[in-house]
Amino acid sequence: GAGVSQSPSNKVTEKGKDVELRCDPISGHTALYWYRQSLGQGLEFLIYFQGNSAPDKSGLPSDRFSAERTGGSVSTLTIQRTQQEDSAVYLCASSLEGAAGSNQPQHFGDGTRLSIL
Amino acid sequence: GQNIDQPTEMTATEGAIVQINCTYQTSGFNGLFWYQQHAGEAPTFLSYNVLDGLEEKGRFSSFLSRSKGYSYLLLKELQMKDSASYLCAVNDYKLSFGAGTTVTVRA
Repeated sequence: GAGVSQSPSNKVTEKGKDVELRCDPISGHTALYWYRQSLGQGLEFLIYFQGNSAPDKSGLPSDRFSAERTGGSVSTLTIQRTQQEDSAVYLCASSLEGAAGSNQPQHFGDGTRLSIL
Repeated sequence: GQNIDQPTEMTATEGAIVQINCTYQTSGFNGLFWYQQHAGEAPTFLSYNVLDGLEEKGRFSSFLSRSKGYSYLLLKELQMKDSASYLCAVNDYKLSFGAGTTVTVRA
């Protein structure tokens, strides 16, 4: 009945490796967002999916970052050739709709804590 | 660009009132959200303002002045469990977040 589910909850990997983070949004939510939260910092927008529209990738920090959303539901965020500065908590959120002006709150998952050694 | 400012830390006594201010300068505005985030947990929705004025929800109230680019979150009858980070976020289809205000409630 669940809320937004993210996996893994923690990931430790070596610099240079690729990682995949998964997000399972609340059933029926058409909008899905990825954010990054570094220690002591606010949430940084990464990417936004709305229904079948092309995603808004304006927040992705580099071309090492990519995301996809299959079947309008589950999303994966992939970071290639990880760097130490990629260490952060990656949060996924979903909402009923994502159109500008919507008052639908975004519901967050517990995040994936990524540590790059 | 987006510029959202809120104080870094606030401390208050159990039972007291605390007001967390948020000022913003953003390229778009379609409402302002407040979220609560306990350490190591996901942010949870508290309130949403799109029109000027005060929205009250139990012990929590939120105020918005669009002309001043200003909002505040008011926490009344503080409880120890209210110790958390409070995030101000401006909605322009995606959320732009402030860095958060860490509130510590002392007995």
